[in-house]
Amino acid sequence: SQKIEQNSEALNIQEGKTATLTCNYTNYSPAYLQWYRQDPGRGPVFLLLIRENEKEKRKERLKVTFDTTLKQSLFHITASQPADSATYLCALYYSSASKIIFGSGTRLSIRP
Amino acid sequence: EAGVVQSPRYKIIEKKQPVAFWCNPISGHNTLYWYRQNLGQGPELLIRYENEEAVDDSQLPKDRFSAERLKGVDSTLKIQPAELGDSAVYLCASSSHSRQGARGQYFGPGTRLTVT
Repeated sequence: SQKIEQNSEALNIQEGKTATLTCNYTNYSPAYLQWYRQDPGRGPVFLLLIRENEKEKRKERLKVTFDTTLKQSLFHITASQPADSATYLCALYYSSASKIIFGSGTRLSIRP
Repeated sequence: EAGVVQSPRYKIIEKKQPVAFWCNPISGHNTLYWYRQNLGQGPELLIRYENEEAVDDSQLPKDRFSAERLKGVDSTLKIQPAELGDSAVYLCASSSHSRQGARGQYFGPGTRLTVT
């Protein structure tokens, strides 16, 4: 079965630095890879997606890369701010089954 | 635009009791999803609807869980009887089309269920 691995330990970053989160998967590459943000007590919020034929995607201070050879996606937040503190989930979308599989998320803390 | 609405936000019940969750998706969204999220884990799909048809319920524990989406709008997820292991957050999400789910789903705030 498909497995998704995200950093299980929390990531602590100094404000202003770049935060980099990792999402690794096994077996098949998805048609799309998505990143969500989840704050305590709230549902996930969609941030970005990247297609299997794309290498990099940017949105404001966010950047996502996708390497189907390494079976890995990296999620970067540049010029990080305390307001960026949250749990970030990666999700893989398989078009053949119209199914999304979520990773367990990485908790990010940005200290002032 | 109103987001996905869920109620109740919190529910505490004793084991063996029934419980129901309600979801109102974003207007115009044909696809509706129910997820269960355990502490420290990502959401796990329970059931997906296309309009009023359940097109993927492979992960729904059918012996105790049931769901319906009458008229292809609101949806209800029921557990009867509840077990201790059902304690989790139940999330509802919607998208304009199942293929649009590839472009991101919109989630509600969830219902936190505690079974004692």
